[in-house]
Amino acid sequence: GNSVTQMEGPVTLSEEAFLTINCTYTATGYPSLFWYVQYPGEGLQLLLKATKADDKGSNKGFEATYRKETTSFHLEKGSVQVSDSAVYFCALSGVSSGSARQLTFGSGTQLTVLP
Amino acid sequence: GAVVSQHPSRVICKSGTSVKIECRSLDFQATTMFWYRQFPKKSLMLMATSNEGSKATYEQGVEKDKFLINHASLTLSTLTVTSAHPEDSSFYICSARAGRQVTSGNTIYFGEGSWLTVV
Repeated sequence: GNSVTQMEGPVTLSEEAFLTINCTYTATGYPSLFWYVQYPGEGLQLLLKATKADDKGSNKGFEATYRKETTSFHLEKGSVQVSDSAVYFCALSGVSSGSARQLTFGSGTQLTVLP
Repeated sequence: GAVVSQHPSRVICKSGTSVKIECRSLDFQATTMFWYRQFPKKSLMLMATSNEGSKATYEQGVEKDKFLINHASLTLSTLTVTSAHPEDSSFYICSARAGRQVTSGNTIYFGEGSWLTVV
């Protein structure tokens, strides 16, 4: 079945530091890949996505490249801010039962950015 | 953009009572909705997939008689936690997928989540 593996947190960085959160996946076929962010007390928000190999998703300074050869979708940001403190989830979308496309999530990585 | 709204955002109920959580797609028709449960500092666990006009498909280990899901229209799905117990306390999140075609990269939109506390 499909699975997503994320680097374990928590991750603590100083403001303006470089961020990498690793994500690798196992899936049949050609899944779409996503990063979701969950701020404290809130639901999930889509951060970025990539739908095919070598696609780069980007949003709010975050980037991730769909690497089929390494089955990875690592999240990066060149200079983090305190407001980036949140839990980040890597996810993939693959066909499951019927015509529904379910999301399979990684375990989440807590990021804390210190001023 | 597409918006999925959940209500209530927070609810406290007594043990043994039932509580209903609504999930609405506000500007698109959602033929499929998903219900997730999230434990503190844990990932999301898919509970069930809800298709408009048909019975929900539950994941293994999820009690369908306890977590009743109704997807009566293209914009509304409800989750009812029946005979709630303190261990049902959790953060419940719904998500919705627009349209009827399964296309690569079709984005799924999430509601804000509902905190349930059973006392």
